[in-house]
Amino acid sequence: GEDVEQSLFLSVREGDSSVINCTYTDSSSTYLYWYKQEPGAGLQLLTYIFSNMDMKQDQRLTVLLNKKDKHLSLRIADTQTGDSAIYFCALRETDSSYKLIFGSGTRLLVRP
Amino acid sequence: DTAVSQTPKYLVTQMGNDKSIKCEQNLGHDTMYWYKQDSKKFLKIMFSYNNKELIINETVPNRFSPKSPDKAHLNLHINSLELGDSAVYFCASSQVLGQPTDTQYFGPGTRLTVL
Repeated sequence: GEDVEQSLFLSVREGDSSVINCTYTDSSSTYLYWYKQEPGAGLQLLTYIFSNMDMKQDQRLTVLLNKKDKHLSLRIADTQTGDSAIYFCALRETDSSYKLIFGSGTRLLVRP
Repeated sequence: DTAVSQTPKYLVTQMGNDKSIKCEQNLGHDTMYWYKQDSKKFLKIMFSYNNKELIINETVPNRFSPKSPDKAHLNLHINSLELGDSAVYFCASSQVLGQPTDTQYFGPGTRLTVL
């Protein structure tokens, strides 16, 4: 089945850009998502990208998709302390179940 | 108003007990899900219901039984609880299965601790 991997931890200084990376194995995934989980809270959808796109920008968030390398990234510009959270990438399987497969999550720590 | 709600938020119980977690969504969605998040934050789908019909049933012990009395509710009943069941359980819902904007909205989670 699908395998989705992320680095576990990222630390940046407030005001810098953060780049969170995700790699996957199933090239047929059609939709790819980024979710944010703050401490003690549920998952909040940040953005998503269709597999026929290379880039999507949404305010401070930029998603890049490299289908050849099966690599997805989330760039957060001007990172703030409120961005500290765990970020999950997720892919939708293309069988009839349409279930989401999540990566292990990247914990982002923003230092003042 | 809360879109996807779960009760209880915390559940502490002894091994061998039977417990239930309830989930309700007021978004008018057709599809609901249960996910398990372990201590390492790994998130994995357990079940999915679409219009009260089971459509995803991952490799989950049959001690776990989902029940959907109507489209707005998906409850999770767990029999004979084991230590390894300790996790955070998330409920989610989405509007229409398989559509391009079929975004899943998550509840706040239920932290289950089995002693």
